[in-house]
Amino acid sequence: QSVLTQPPSVSGAPGQRVTISCTGSSSNIGAGYDVHWYQQLPGTAPKLLISGNNNRPSGVPDRFSGSRSGTSASLAITGLQAEDEADYYCQSYDRRLSGSVFGTGTKVTVL
Amino acid sequence: AQLVQSGAEVKRPGASVKVACKASGYTFTAFYIHWVRQAPGQGLEWMGWINPDSGATNFAQKFQGRVTLTWDTSISTAYMELSRLRSDDTAVYYCARGPQSRHSAEWYNWLDPWGQGTLVTVSS
Repeated sequence: QSVLTQPPSVSGAPGQRVTISCTGSSSNIGAGYDVHWYQQLPGTAPKLLISGNNNRPSGVPDRFSGSRSGTSASLAITGLQAEDEADYYCQSYDRRLSGSVFGTGTKVTVL
Repeated sequence: AQLVQSGAEVKRPGASVKVACKASGYTFTAFYIHWVRQAPGQGLEWMGWINPDSGATNFAQKFQGRVTLTWDTSISTAYMELSRLRSDDTAVYYCARGPQSRHSAEWYNWLDPWGQGTLVTVSS
């Protein structure tokens, strides 16, 4: 029963652009708390992809970008590649729960 | 920076499990340590954090009273102990480095890096 909602799956052909939404509320994203994104390849630990809404850590390709507006955030992947096939999670802070919260997760499939 | 966790565990219902998370490559007390779990085929679930500098801890409501977070600064290791185990506690448990200890926990709270995960299986 996560407080951040993501679409269960998105798909696209190689080279296409896909976006993943992360919908929250006035107690988390809407309250101004930052959103972070993680990529989890099968059988591995999550890896930080985007921090502070739109910052890419060193080594993350610029094909990945993030944004936040109102009570939602989005992750965009441009120039989709086969290696991008993974699960993606958003994360923020919720002041009502007084703790971090994760999104429900989205599986990206490269057709 | 790197976090290395202890090995897989198999426990009976009602028992306790203690997972270790050894940090290297940075000053252990300078950053929060968070714990996150992932049940088989499910999403990520935040459990709680410790601030090794101040000694403060915080837990998700559902784990209150069942989880204990401790640490040993001398060996740069954090521990997560979960008691009264049930079958639905079967999951991979991750530790991850959070924000700098000098910050309030709700800001700059991305998690990086993560440990490799510890599979805890609860079965009779």
